[in-house]
Amino acid sequence: KQEVTQIPAALSVPEGENLVLNCSFTDSAIYNLQWFRQDPGKGLTSLLLIQSSQREQTSGRLNASLDKSSGRSTLYIAASQPGDSATYLCAGNTDKLIFGTGTRLQVFP
Amino acid sequence: EPEVTQTPSHQVTQMGQEVILRCVPISNHLYFYWYRQILGQKVEFLVSFYNNEISEKSEIFDDQFSVERPDGSNFTLKIRSTKLEDSAMYFCASSEQGIGYEQYFGPGTRLTVT
Repeated sequence: KQEVTQIPAALSVPEGENLVLNCSFTDSAIYNLQWFRQDPGKGLTSLLLIQSSQREQTSGRLNASLDKSSGRSTLYIAASQPGDSATYLCAGNTDKLIFGTGTRLQVFP
Repeated sequence: EPEVTQTPSHQVTQMGQEVILRCVPISNHLYFYWYRQILGQKVEFLVSFYNNEISEKSEIFDDQFSVERPDGSNFTLKIRSTKLEDSAMYFCASSEQGIGYEQYFGPGTRLTVT
């Protein structure tokens, strides 16, 4: 059974810092991995999708990597801003999305 | 940009009542999903739907739940007799194809059962 874990559970950083969010999954037989952003009480915004054949994807200040063999993905956020404050979720896609518990990020000015 | 929409944004109902949550997936998408998130917990898969039938369902999706695509645009989740523990945010998602394709999520319906 696929289990997805995210660490840290919470992170508070000053504006401008580069940071790394971690996601690990137990079943390497995933088709892809998606990173989402969730603002409090809101829906899920897809940030990046990495196919199982890819090693990384970039979108603006975000870079996500995937290592299927070790069951790990990281989301790198460069030059963090207060507007990045949200919960970040990763989800492994087998034939459905299995979500982690998320990392709650706060970026303070 | 096309997006998944959901109505209502918030639904309050009494225990034992039936509720129908509505979703309009992206128009050219073929696969549809429902997920839920109980407050403070993980987002959990409920059901996937393709070609007018359920592809897969989780153990959460018991006989109290049903899904339907009543016309060419809507996708609904019905809970026949709501329980307190059904209180959650319900998300609809769609994808262009099935496995391996990006899923796009709606803004969610917050269901509160009193």
